[in-house]
Amino acid sequence: GAVVSQHPSRVICKSGTSVKIECRSLDFQATTMFWYRQFPKQSLMLMATSNEGSKATYEQGVEKDKFLINHASLTLSTLTVTSAHPEDSSFYICSAREGGSTQYFGPGTRLTVL
Amino acid sequence: AQSVTQLDSQVPVFEEAPVELRCNYSSSVSVYLFWYVQYPNQGLQLLLKYLSGSTLVKGINGFEAEFNKSQTSFHLRKPSVHISDTAEYFCAAEMDSNYQLIWGAGTKLIIKP
Repeated sequence: GAVVSQHPSRVICKSGTSVKIECRSLDFQATTMFWYRQFPKQSLMLMATSNEGSKATYEQGVEKDKFLINHASLTLSTLTVTSAHPEDSSFYICSAREGGSTQYFGPGTRLTVL
Repeated sequence: AQSVTQLDSQVPVFEEAPVELRCNYSSSVSVYLFWYVQYPNQGLQLLLKYLSGSTLVKGINGFEAEFNKSQTSFHLRKPSVHISDTAEYFCAAEMDSNYQLIWGAGTKLIIKP
């Protein structure tokens, strides 16, 4: 089946530093990748939609300068949280869509900003 | 407005008992419907999906769901649950051509021994 990986699975960083999270589709080419954020005991919140080779489309209220998304190839998208602060601590999940309507999700990255 | 509603935030059920997790959607256009499961501290795994065709959809781990257009529902069922089914279950719908999913709030399935 379609597999999506994320790296790292867990990261702890100091306030003010930047953190990069990678999302890879391992056995398929992803025309579209999505980045979600999940707060404790809540559903997923879509942050942005990313198509290979073009700029990401951010959801309302998501700061594009803070959450930089790069979809450099059909198998890789990265999310960089710039100048992270404690309120950015969260569970970040990516998903990838091959061509149909089904999204396949990565295992998530737990970010803790001290 | 387009929305997905999961009516129960938590569903406790005894092991080996049947379970139904409810999901309703609101849309003026045709929809694709999905159920995902999230185990603690993990990402989401696709349980099953309805795109077209038969309204009864069978998924992994013995789960099934039935698309009911007249009731705008897509309830998830399992005839006999196990401890390993303890997880959060999310219903989601795709309602437009952006391929974005609209998510329900999730239902926590609690299995009692």
